[in-house]
Amino acid sequence: GQNIDQPTEMTATEGAIVQINCTYQTSGFNGLFWYQQHAGEAPTFLSYNVLDGLEEKGRFSSFLSRSKGYSYLLLKELQMKDSASYLCAVRGGNAGNMLTFGGGTRLMVKP
Amino acid sequence: DGGITQSPKYLFRKEGQNVTLSCEQNLNHDAMYWYRQDPGQGLRLIYYSQIVNDFQKGDIAEGYSVSREKKESFPLTVTSAQKNPTAFYLCASSYNNEQFFGPGTRLTVL
Repeated sequence: GQNIDQPTEMTATEGAIVQINCTYQTSGFNGLFWYQQHAGEAPTFLSYNVLDGLEEKGRFSSFLSRSKGYSYLLLKELQMKDSASYLCAVRGGNAGNMLTFGGGTRLMVKP
Repeated sequence: DGGITQSPKYLFRKEGQNVTLSCEQNLNHDAMYWYRQDPGQGLRLIYYSQIVNDFQKGDIAEGYSVSREKKESFPLTVTSAQKNPTAFYLCASSYNNEQFFGPGTRLTVL
């Protein structure tokens, strides 16, 4: 089966750094994705990890440890517009490139 | 411009009526997906299609039906058998490692 866990809510201050964790147990692994979703809108792609290590893209970085079934999304220099839900999704070893999504972490950035 | 379109953005229906949500893409992607999202929750897969004239059930297919007669189009019908149809519905297509999402349709059944 597939199980993906991430915190439901987090709060952080503008200008700070926040780390959103994601743990997973899946039958097979073929990549982990992070998406950002503003309320009422579609998710937008942030990052993709398939090998262990850190992927950096501007203010956002994503880390993966396959042996631990663990990933995190790191957001630096937080801005008010970063207030959104962040979805962790795993592509298992199944056909069809299907993703299994976690419940999402709602991040609130305060002034 | 290339992308995925879903219409309408908001849809209201009476209980017991079937309703069809449209999804069109001009990205030339083979694979397309339908997800359902309930408030404060992640996405759950309803149906997916890897190629024209073929589709597979996802995790929560009961009460839904799809067709894939053209590469560009993957409509989803919410039938009266779906017990809790009110939700946000997202269509996606994929190429290589990324899924691209449409803007979504918020369906409310009264």
